Amino acid sequence: AQRVTQPEKLLSVFKGAPVELKCNYSYSGSPELFWYVQYSRQRLQLLLRHISRESIKGFTADLNKGETSFHLKKPFAQEEDSAMYYCALAKTSYDKVIFGPGTSLSVIP
Amino acid sequence: DARVTQTPRHKVTEMGQEVTMRCQPILGHNTVFWYRQTMMQGLELLAYFRNRAPLDDSGMPKDRFSAEMPDATLATLKIQPSEPRDSAVYFCASALRGGDTEAFFGQGTRLTVV
Repeated sequence: AQRVTQPEKLLSVFKGAPVELKCNYSYSGSPELFWYVQYSRQRLQLLLRHISRESIKGFTADLNKGETSFHLKKPFAQEEDSAMYYCALAKTSYDKVIFGPGTSLSVIP
Repeated sequence: DARVTQTPRHKVTEMGQEVTMRCQPILGHNTVFWYRQTMMQGLELLAYFRNRAPLDDSGMPKDRFSAEMPDATLATLKIQPSEPRDSAVYFCASALRGGDTEAFFGQGTRLTVV
């Protein structure tokens, strides 16, 4: 069965420092991959998906099929980036979406 | 602004009581997910539906949990009897078709079983 792991439960970085949130998945095919974010007192919402290859709020994520990873990166963290980040996977365009355990990012002023 | 609506937002109940959580998906979305969020497990998929038909409920404890979609505008998640370990935030999400389409989440139901 497919699985998503996020090795860090908590991650703290200083404002202006680079940030990388790790995501690894176990699935032999070509999955659909996403990053969702939950800001304090807000709904969980889509941040970005690998098929669109876009940068949202300065974040990017690259799919590495060899390492089965989809790490989220931002060169300069901002205080407003503090939130809970979830990596998610779907096997096919019409399949269920499963989530990793999440990483809580704290950006220190 | 179309949104997924969940009720109630908070529920405190005694062990052994029945709990029903409701979700109104976004009109036109044919896929509905139920997730449970805990500190230890993160977001666990409990069940999902397409066109009101259950496709996968393998993540749900079958003896006490049940999920249904009586019609296209309502999804329900029931726990009977509830136990303290069921305390969590339960999220409903809907999507145009699942998979590669964005899942829109409700605000969640925070359940506390005492």
